[in-house]
Amino acid sequence: DAGVTQSPTHLIKTRGQQVTLRCSPKSGHDTVSWYQQALGQGPQFIFQYYEEEERQRGNFPDRFSGHQFPNYSSELNVNALLLGDSALYLCASTILGQPSTDTQYFGPGTRLTVL
Amino acid sequence: AQTVTQSQPEMSVQEAETVTLSCTYDTSENNYYLFWYKQPPSRQMILVIRQEAYKQQNATENRFSVNFQKAAKSFSLKISDSQLGDTAMYFCAFIRITGTASKLTFGTGTRLQVTL
Repeated sequence: DAGVTQSPTHLIKTRGQQVTLRCSPKSGHDTVSWYQQALGQGPQFIFQYYEEEERQRGNFPDRFSGHQFPNYSSELNVNALLLGDSALYLCASTILGQPSTDTQYFGPGTRLTVL
Repeated sequence: AQTVTQSQPEMSVQEAETVTLSCTYDTSENNYYLFWYKQPPSRQMILVIRQEAYKQQNATENRFSVNFQKAAKSFSLKISDSQLGDTAMYFCAFIRITGTASKLTFGTGTRLQVTL
């Protein structure tokens, strides 16, 4: 049973650049959420995608955008990178369709460093 | 809005001993789940245990158990017979049951070190 996968593992960008992170959900899951985890902090919710639509969004600027594909995989895009965007980006999947579950399973994360 | 508080930034326990990690939360919701996640140095966030708020019985998973006090909004994690592999950051998390979109709200974490 394949778990949640994310790519790339690490990424280094410079200020002002754009980045795309990718996530494939756990087999059978239809919903993907993205979280940002700054060093020494708990993860913060960015947004959630279900049926290819953004269903809920946390307190993040419009520079953060996403997409979900028909195969349920998802991308997180961040434009105009700032130093403060340096963090571990976690993807989590769950099932909102039937039968639903409120348990989210996480991928290994992508470490983004902005110089 | 929901908040989750973990008041112990770091804890240490000897191998084979028992340790309890504390978590309190604040919500006006009645239907929700609580979780403990473990994040070892490998960064993978791993589900440890889950508790449904409507269940009075405390959840147990092998060496891990919780003490869920709904009225006090307290949700502590007990690790029995601690092992070196338990060394990790532990996060308490809350999710509101809506049937639609949902998000996890995390605490700031407790770093647990298991020593010989």
